[in-house]
Amino acid sequence: GAGVSQTPSNKVTEKGKYVELRCDPISGHTALYWYRQSLGQGPEFLIYFQGTGAADDSGLPNDRFFAVRPEGSVSTLKIQRTERGDSAVYLCASSVSGRGTYNEQFFGPGTRLTVL
Amino acid sequence: AQKITQTQPGMFVQEKEAVTLDCTYDTSDQSYGLFWYKQPSSGEMIFLIYQGSYDEQNATEGRYSLNFQKARKSANLVISASQLGDSAMYFCAMREGRRGYSTLTFGKGTMLLVSP
Repeated sequence: GAGVSQTPSNKVTEKGKYVELRCDPISGHTALYWYRQSLGQGPEFLIYFQGTGAADDSGLPNDRFFAVRPEGSVSTLKIQRTERGDSAVYLCASSVSGRGTYNEQFFGPGTRLTVL
Repeated sequence: AQKITQTQPGMFVQEKEAVTLDCTYDTSDQSYGLFWYKQPSSGEMIFLIYQGSYDEQNATEGRYSLNFQKARKSANLVISASQLGDSAMYFCAMREGRRGYSTLTFGKGTMLLVSP
């Protein structure tokens, strides 16, 4: 079956521009997560949606970052006034539910964002 | 303090040999889950194995086993009979009960290279 998909796979933008990154979770998964992976690091949590609402956005680094999931499926991560430090791979994951210690998260291939 | 520590930036192993990748964690929660993910050069995160804090037996999944030592707060991954395709980054991650089990905290990873 279809896994988590993310578009675009690569995005190059200029400092100060606005970007949107899209995530299509596995059908039926109510929980959706965004992570950011900088070069040589493990993924870092950004935000978690349970259904349409952001249940935990404590990982968003500042108010330039915002994410939505209006219909409880597709999610968009929005970054305003991009900075060179935003360059990273942005990973999306989904799971059947957000609850329980064993709750396998299925990851997408990521979007590589480069800010020039 | 780091919640997940992977002290081996890189490991080398010969094909068909076993290898242990180290992971220590820090949490005051009684209920938590530990995960290992594999990230090949293509970038996708592949779930390998899970250990719950209340599980009495070490988890096993095919050639992967998790050496869980709760008192020492370690959750080392053992790969038996290494294969060339095992060459990848390996990440240890934890989900804590206090955060509603909603997010994963990752270590910095270990690069495993399997030689013929």
